[in-house]
Formats: sequence, C-alpha cells, structure tokens
Amino acid sequence: EMQLVESGGGLVKPGGSLRLSCAASGFTFNSYNMNWVRQAPGKGLEWVSSISSTSTYIYYADSVRGRFTISRDNTKNSLYLQMNSLRAEDTAIYYCARTYRAYCSVTSCYEHASWGQGTLVTVSS
Amino acid sequence: QSVLTQPPSVSETPGQRVIISCSGSGSNIGSHVVNWYQEVPGTAPKLLIYDSNQRPSGVPDRFSGSKSGTSASLAISGLQSGDEADYYCAAWDDVLNGVVFGGGTKLTVL
Repeated sequence: EMQLVESGGGLVKPGGSLRLSCAASGFTFNSYNMNWVRQAPGKGLEWVSSISSTSTYIYYADSVRGRFTISRDNTKNSLYLQMNSLRAEDTAIYYCARTYRAYCSVTSCYEHASWGQGTLVTVSS
Repeated sequence: QSVLTQPPSVSETPGQRVIISCSGSGSNIGSHVVNWYQEVPGTAPKLLIYDSNQRPSGVPDRFSGSKSGTSASLAISGLQSGDEADYYCAAWDDVLNGVVFGGGTKLTVL
C-alpha cells in the first residue's frame, strides 16, 4: 500500500529553522515528481514547492523562494523541506504529495494525487 | 487574493447537479490543464480531476471536469450528503512559474 508519512513539524520562533521529512513507501519513489503543499489554519491550499523525480527541476512559490529548500534522497525514498527564516505566516499544516503519473515533467504533471497526513508547523514567539 | 477565482460557496439539494467554476488567465488555465480537489475538513485533500477532465481510478463518474479558454468547471451530479466539502481548482502558471490554487468553494448539500 502506498504511504507518505511527514515528520519534523513543531513550534519554532520567528527567524528559526525546521526540516520536514516525508517517508515514502509502497511505490517506486524515484519515478515520481514530489511536492509540498501547505494549508494555514482556516485557509485554502497553497502550493509550496515541487521537485522532479531526479531532482533536476525544482520550483518554489514566491512566498518561500530563498528561504525554503526542497530536496529528495531516492536511495532513502524520502522527500525533505528545509525551512529557514520562518515567519508567522508560514504557520500551516504541511503536506507532501505525489503526482498521479510517473515519468512526466513538473510543468505538465502537477496533480497531487496522494497525500500524507500532514505535519503542523507553528511559527510563534 | 487567489490567482484562480472560485465562488466562495455553492449549495444544492440531494440528487441534483451542481457546477463549480474556476476562472483564471492566459498564463494559467489558458495554457495549462486544471486539477480539482475535494477536501473534507480535518482530512487530506483528494484528487478528483486531473488534466482538466480525467478522473483518477476510484473517483465516481458523478464528478466531471471541463475547460474552455481561461475558465474551468467541476460538475457533480447526483449530489449526496457526503459530497459536502471544500473544492479547489489548480493549474500551472507560467508567470509565477508554479502551481496556483483557487480560493476554494464550500459545497453545502441542503
């Protein structure tokens, strides 16, 4: 069974850092583009970042570019999000998500088909 | 203010059909496919439609999507109480070089 399990969330002060992880199982991880999507409390969905299957192509939302870094380790079937210079507005549930289709470009295949349970990041003093 | 515009809420009675609209521009919906998600509060979102009109396996054919120009729509027929949820559209945007979501539409089944 396909599974995505996020970890690493928690309470951090403004300006602080956190590293989120997403452990994948039940599918061929290195065949799929992966994504981070977040949802602030009471708000809608916001795309954060995407990474292609071989890490060749990486994209960020303007709101996090320069502060967040997405990466993956295909040998460990894991996706990461390094978050630096955190702000109050980064407070959200962070989901990792896999595309429905394998072997396609990030700009063509951005359907978030499988989601983890999410990990809560709270930025507050 | 979301890049893609959806009505904040729609409502309809059980058994009826409802359409949720999603309006964008030439740099997103006008140039790329649209995906639709269903989110029940407290649970992870679920992909309903990808490539504007394709259903992933397991999604009932009561859900259908279409796109024309810079707008897209999600139709839900045979409404059920279990369809009460928030619905989001999404597309790639060439100007922002990333995925943009609509603000979400809350569906109420009366």
